[in-house]
Amino acid sequence: DTAVSQTPKYLVTQMGNDKSIKCEQNLGHDTMYWYKQDSKKFLKIMFSYNNKELIINETVPNRFSPKSPDKAHLNLHINSLELGDSAVYFCASRGLAGTEGELFFGEGSRLTVL
Amino acid sequence: SQKIEQNSEALNIQEGKTATLTCNYTNYSPAYLQWYRQDPGRGPVFLLLIRENEKEKRKERLKVTFDTTLKQSLFHITASQPADSATYLCALVHTGTASKLTFGTGTRLQVTL
Repeated sequence: DTAVSQTPKYLVTQMGNDKSIKCEQNLGHDTMYWYKQDSKKFLKIMFSYNNKELIINETVPNRFSPKSPDKAHLNLHINSLELGDSAVYFCASRGLAGTEGELFFGEGSRLTVL
Repeated sequence: SQKIEQNSEALNIQEGKTATLTCNYTNYSPAYLQWYRQDPGRGPVFLLLIRENEKEKRKERLKVTFDTTLKQSLFHITASQPADSATYLCALVHTGTASKLTFGTGTRLQVTL
């Protein structure tokens, strides 16, 4: 039973399109994250939600919009895709905001923009 | 500016030797630091946590040290095995930003027979 699952695993699309990535965790965690890993493998935080509330919003273009319908789900919608959006997007969850708990990551969603 | 730097060059060592990976940070005051392992095509997996007031932590063949004066953490794998080959990432939480875990650039470790 996968703890943090993301769909789709692979996404290939044209510039200018809109796409979404979904994430679900079954760990009962309160906090969820989106990270972006570029071609150099650098893992950069984008957003975090705690119990459906946005608590971290890094310098990310407005074309990226996260949505958390409930604390077990965090989706990422990207409008007007650009070449530079090509990366692996990781969803992660954590027990309680403000604790030392580890992050549990999904397997990643590889987005390729042509 | 704030930075978390790890050796960008891959570390190649022979099986049985001790691998030592470095994590240096600038302009952070970490409450704690974590180490993760990432295999190709997979998400990072947590290994160890060390707090600002701890000097050393151990777990089986893994050891982490934390020197807040040098602003550095070292990650050691003793008796390395080919199965230890992976990318290792350090991550820290800056004091006062409790939910924001910021990652270093990662170091790829290759253990050969």
